Amino acid sequence: GAVVSQHPSRVICKSGTSVKIECRSLDFQATTMFWYRQFPKQSLMLMATSNEGSKATYEQGVEKDKFLINHASLTLSTLTVTSAHPEDSSFYICSARSLVNTEAFFGQGTRLTVV
Amino acid sequence: GEDVEQSLFLSVREGDSSVINCTYTDSSSTYLYWYKQEPGAGLQLLTYIFSNMDMKQDQRLTVLLNKKDKHLSLRIADTQTGDSAIYFCAETKGDYKLSFGAGTTVTVRA
Repeated sequence: GAVVSQHPSRVICKSGTSVKIECRSLDFQATTMFWYRQFPKQSLMLMATSNEGSKATYEQGVEKDKFLINHASLTLSTLTVTSAHPEDSSFYICSARSLVNTEAFFGQGTRLTVV
Repeated sequence: GEDVEQSLFLSVREGDSSVINCTYTDSSSTYLYWYKQEPGAGLQLLTYIFSNMDMKQDQRLTVLLNKKDKHLSLRIADTQTGDSAIYFCAETKGDYKLSFGAGTTVTVRA
């Protein structure tokens, strides 16, 4: 199957700072990437959908100014958590798909802890 | 209410079969998926089924879909300790935005 790499896998940051998470499709061109958030022992909640070269579409209740998403190339999307606070601590997972795939492939996730 | 529902826990003896059940509400779902998540890791796609299929088998995995009842199940034959994980069912309407269930924690006991 296709490979999606997410970096970093773990990050600890101070409250008020910003953190960038990268999602890369290694062996295919990802026309669409999705960002999910998972709270402990809960399911994944879709935060936003990004298409290469256009603005991301955010789900209801997700602050677009806080969670900045950039999908500048067919192999890279980034999620920046701006002015992070402890309540932003979570597991963030991206997924990516191309036009020819019937599935979206997931990255390994990023554990963000804001202290 | 939730779009996709699953039971939260399943305990099974090693070597037995596991059956994880899922119900969904949207009849326009086109693909239904089963994902596996091990502690601290991302999601691994196990299998998926297109909405016009009733059954799909892949080695130890069997997926059954009852579209009339909007019920999906995953059967794992000869369950092993390595099968201990959280299993998520998910559905999509073709735009590949996935709606996930809460996940079923499967514990395999010796």
